[in-house]
Amino acid sequence: GAVVSQHPSWVICKSGTSVKIECRSLDFQATTMFWYRQFPKQSLMLMATSNEGSKATYEQGVEKDKFLINHASLTLSTLTVTSAHPEDSSFYICSALEGSAGNQPQHFGDGTRLSIL
Amino acid sequence: AQSVAQPEDQVNVAEGNPLTVKCTYSVSGNPYLFWYVQYPNRGLQFLLKYITGDNLVKGSYGFEAEFNKSQTSFHLKKPSALVSDSALYFCAARPPNFNKFYFGSGTKLNVKP
Repeated sequence: GAVVSQHPSWVICKSGTSVKIECRSLDFQATTMFWYRQFPKQSLMLMATSNEGSKATYEQGVEKDKFLINHASLTLSTLTVTSAHPEDSSFYICSALEGSAGNQPQHFGDGTRLSIL
Repeated sequence: AQSVAQPEDQVNVAEGNPLTVKCTYSVSGNPYLFWYVQYPNRGLQFLLKYITGDNLVKGSYGFEAEFNKSQTSFHLKKPSALVSDSALYFCAARPPNFNKFYFGSGTKLNVKP
C-alpha cells in the first residue's frame, strides 16, 4: 500500500517551455503533499508544502510564479515549472502524507528528471 | 534553527560486516524520526521510524535504528551488510504537530564484495 505515482519520469525540453509534473497517491488520500528538488550533491531541498484545496506554502527563496503548485484533490498535486531555463534542470520529487497523524512517514514518488536545453 | 545532521557523506563497508550510518538532530520537542533509502534515479523509500517507546526500532530489509535521547541521535544499523544495500540514506525528523520534515544531507553507503 501507500503508493505514490509521479509522472513523467523524464522530460527534455527547450528553454522557455512550461512543464507540468503530476503526483498522485494511488491507494490513499493525501491531505498534504510536498515537492522537493534534489541537487547533484545529494541534498533534498523542500520547495513547497501543498494542502488539498488551499494555496501551497512555499519555502523561502522559491519563486511562486515560477513553480506553480496545484493540489486540486486528495489524490493529485501538480507542479508546473513555467518558462523553464537550463538552471531549472534538476531532479524533482514529490511525496504525500497519508492522513493527519503526525507520526506517519512521507511516501515518495520516483521523481522526475527535468533537463532544459 | 531546526536541523538534522548526517556527518558522513560516505560510508564504506565490506559485505558481511556490520554497518552504521549516523544521524543527529536538533529539532524542537520530541520529534518523530525516520530513515529513508534512495536508489539511483528513484524516489525515497521508507525504512523505519521512531515515535516512542523502545529505543531500538526494526525496519525493512533487516535494518534497525537506535534512538538516543541524551545524544539526540538516531543511528541506522545493520548487523551484516549486503552489496545490494549500497544506496543513499536519508535521516529525517518531524516535530509533533507540525507539518514539516527536516532532512539530513544524505549518506552514500558503499558495500563492497
